[in-house]
Formats: sequence, structure tokens, C-alpha cells
Amino acid sequence: NSKVIQTPRYLVKGQGQKAKMRCIPEKGHPVVFWYQQNKNNEFKFLINFQNQEVLQQIDMTEKRFSAECPSNSPCSLEIQSSEAGDSALYLCASSPGQGGAEQFFGPGTRLTVL
Amino acid sequence: GDQVEQSPSALSLHEGTGSALRCNFTTTMRAVQWFRKNSRGSLINLFYLASGTKENGRLKSAFDSKERYSTLHIRDAQLEDSGTYFCASNSGTYQRFGTGTKLQVVP
Repeated sequence: NSKVIQTPRYLVKGQGQKAKMRCIPEKGHPVVFWYQQNKNNEFKFLINFQNQEVLQQIDMTEKRFSAECPSNSPCSLEIQSSEAGDSALYLCASSPGQGGAEQFFGPGTRLTVL
Repeated sequence: GDQVEQSPSALSLHEGTGSALRCNFTTTMRAVQWFRKNSRGSLINLFYLASGTKENGRLKSAFDSKERYSTLHIRDAQLEDSGTYFCASNSGTYQRFGTGTKLQVVP
């Protein structure tokens, strides 16, 4: 179904540590999204890119996360200083376009902050 | 803000029967997607609709942007249909997800 690749599948960090995860979008998809899914199945949009440019991001992402989508390299999302509340499934999705186009999701990176 | 209300939160079906899941949106959306979370935890795309209805095997989905809702109908449910189903709406930027319907199909 989806060809989005996310690594690592599992990540365990201590509080205050950096946590970095990567995403390779489907070939030909210029738009990449990051979402956070908590244990209550609630999804939160974090940031999206078109090619290398940030389209939108929420306040939390701007303050505590570092994200990029360099050309010819995987996209990445990094939490600068992990907190217990960051424990969640981080999902990357790619899309062939903006404006409501279909999104395809990777398997996610499950982050546990001890 | 924009919200997606998904119902029911849980559903139990006997094999061979059917039912419908529904998502209501608080604002007009451009498109809706339906997903199923598989046994490995990955979101599998079931449907993408900008309007109207689509059918795939025993699944059928409808989206009415004017009335702000979408439905997913399952007929002749099989054991392998068990899992968690999510709708997600898109107003043109990022997706807003429902909180899921946990479906259990029993013999």
C-alpha cells in the first residue's frame, strides 16, 4: 500500500535527550507531513514541507522540534530535549500535492521517553 | 477549531453481517480518507474521496462535503476485517483525524 519508509521503528530516550527520526517519502511525492499519535489514538499535526520548504507548523514544533527535508536525503524530525509527554507514535506521510491530496503513511517511529 | 467526530468508538459484528461507521465534520472539508490500522500498526489506505461514493469489495464509502459527513459501510464482515478504522478529513492543509472505531468481528 504505502511506500513511505520510517526509521527507526522504535526509539527509547531519557528525558532531556535528543530524539531523531527519519522518513523517506514515496518517490515523486513533494509534500511531507509529520503527525504525532498518542496512546488515546489522537492525532496531532506537527509540520509539513513541500520539497525543502516548511509549509505549516504548530507552535510546539517551532519551539521544541527541529525538522528538515533536504534534497536527496531523508526528511527528519528531531526533538531537541525529550519530555515524558513526547512518548508517542510519530507518523510521516507523503502526498503528491497540496490542497487536500491523498496522503500515504509510513509505519511510524514509536518513541518512549523514560 | 476544526473537529472530526467518529462513531461508534467500538463495534462488534458477527461474521457475515454489516454495519456503518460515520464521521461528522464541524467545517466544510475538501476530501476525506478512510484507513485501517493493520496488525503491524501501519495505516492502510482504504478510500480517498473528494465527493460521492466509492466501493471496493465489501467496503463502500460516501462523502457529502455539503452536509459535512462521511460513512464507511462494511458488509459480509470477515474475521480479518477486525482492527481499528480511522477517518481523516482534509480542508486543504493537513489532515484531521477521528479517534477511531475499534471493530471486532466474531464467529
